[in-house]
Amino acid sequence: AQSVTQLGSHVSVSEGALVLLRCNYSSSVPPYLFWYVQYPNQGLQLLLKYTTGATLVKGINGFEAEFKKSETSFHLTKPSAHMSDAAEYFCAVTPSGYSTLTFGKGTMLLVSP
Amino acid sequence: DVKVTQSSRYLVKRTGEKVFLECVQDMDHENMFWYRQDPGLGLRLIYFSYDVKMKEKGDIPEGYSVSREKKERFSLILESASTNQTSMYLCASSLGGRDGYTFGSGTRLTVV
Repeated sequence: AQSVTQLGSHVSVSEGALVLLRCNYSSSVPPYLFWYVQYPNQGLQLLLKYTTGATLVKGINGFEAEFKKSETSFHLTKPSAHMSDAAEYFCAVTPSGYSTLTFGKGTMLLVSP
Repeated sequence: DVKVTQSSRYLVKRTGEKVFLECVQDMDHENMFWYRQDPGLGLRLIYFSYDVKMKEKGDIPEGYSVSREKKERFSLILESASTNQTSMYLCASSLGGRDGYTFGSGTRLTVV
């Protein structure tokens, strides 16, 4: 069975600082990996995904993530935080060929002026 | 863009009531899912469906059932609502594993 661990339930950064949200996964087969963002009282929106090919993937709103197989990680980064990035972020994994996603417990990103 | 519509944003129901949460998607997706979201617990899969009239239990199906009579509609049913079912309920659909999900806006259910 697959699982996802997101390190830190809350991460605080200053506006303009680097954003780093950590995600580690376990999967018995090559995984597909996803990051979602959730703004208050809304559903989840896909930020980016890794399926095959290039291990550095770029998403919306200036976010990117790198798949590192040796570290079983898929950390999310953004060079410069903006106030509008304040939201909850979820990492998710599915073994390739399956359709059900397993989600991490989420990381709340707080951005201060 | 795929749109997933959940019929209610907020619901308040009484303990013991039968509750229906409706979800409709407009892009002919085969797969549909119901999750509940609770603080500190993330998203937990309740039920999912790969096709019309097909359903599969997720991780926490107890106290819930589902119905999928048409491809575009997937309903979650709380047979007898209890206060521990107070939660945010999220519906999603997808073409397949590599595509990820498209989520609805969620229904925040309060059982009193």
